[in-house]
Amino acid sequence: SQQGEEDPQALSIQEGENATMNCSYKTSINNLQWYRQNSGRGLVHLILIRSNEREKHSGRLRVTLDTSKKSSSLLITASRAADTASYFCATVVSGGSYIPTFGRGTSLIVHP
Amino acid sequence: ETGVTQSPTHLIKTRGQQVTLRCSSQSGHNTVSWYQQALGQGPQFIFQYYREEENGRGNFPPRFSGLQFPNYSSELNVNALELDDSALYLCASSRLQGYEQYFGPGTRLTVT
Repeated sequence: SQQGEEDPQALSIQEGENATMNCSYKTSINNLQWYRQNSGRGLVHLILIRSNEREKHSGRLRVTLDTSKKSSSLLITASRAADTASYFCATVVSGGSYIPTFGRGTSLIVHP
Repeated sequence: ETGVTQSPTHLIKTRGQQVTLRCSSQSGHNTVSWYQQALGQGPQFIFQYYREEENGRGNFPPRFSGLQFPNYSSELNVNALELDDSALYLCASSRLQGYEQYFGPGTRLTVT
């Protein structure tokens, strides 16, 4: 079974709106990572957040982590058509073999 | 820095055949992981190599095997291909285990 599960499965918004995706996981983590994938190609790393961090920013991206709820969210502000992609969270469990485990992803469509 | 490269881009094989996929890691990265991604799903971890030793394996049968070479390039071999092996195969390298991974563009394998 997959450690992280993203929600929603699909999201459709207009350019300029904000997009929020959530990731829930089951066991304690060392870190959680967010990736983007365009059109079934290779994944691109976006942000890594460690278990002792609560929030990180990178440009228009904001990631939060709530270890008590075992969840994370990715917020994309002022979305653009170029943000259309699938977004995945990957969790690295504590005391494990340091292998990121991916969820099924959220498919984001941003309409121009 | 040279990114992660994979070859071939696309491949069509017949059930029962064998296939070898290749990956060249990003410069300075000593960890490489292989993932299988079926359509509409997240990447599923196959195995990971660290300094030429396998140090983690997902829920894949022994007919999936791999190698990592001294220059940190890597191969994924799949024997006795089955129709369900049709997928995008992704290679990812990282400088540190469990941290951000850099993905190649993938090899699209179709088994007929």
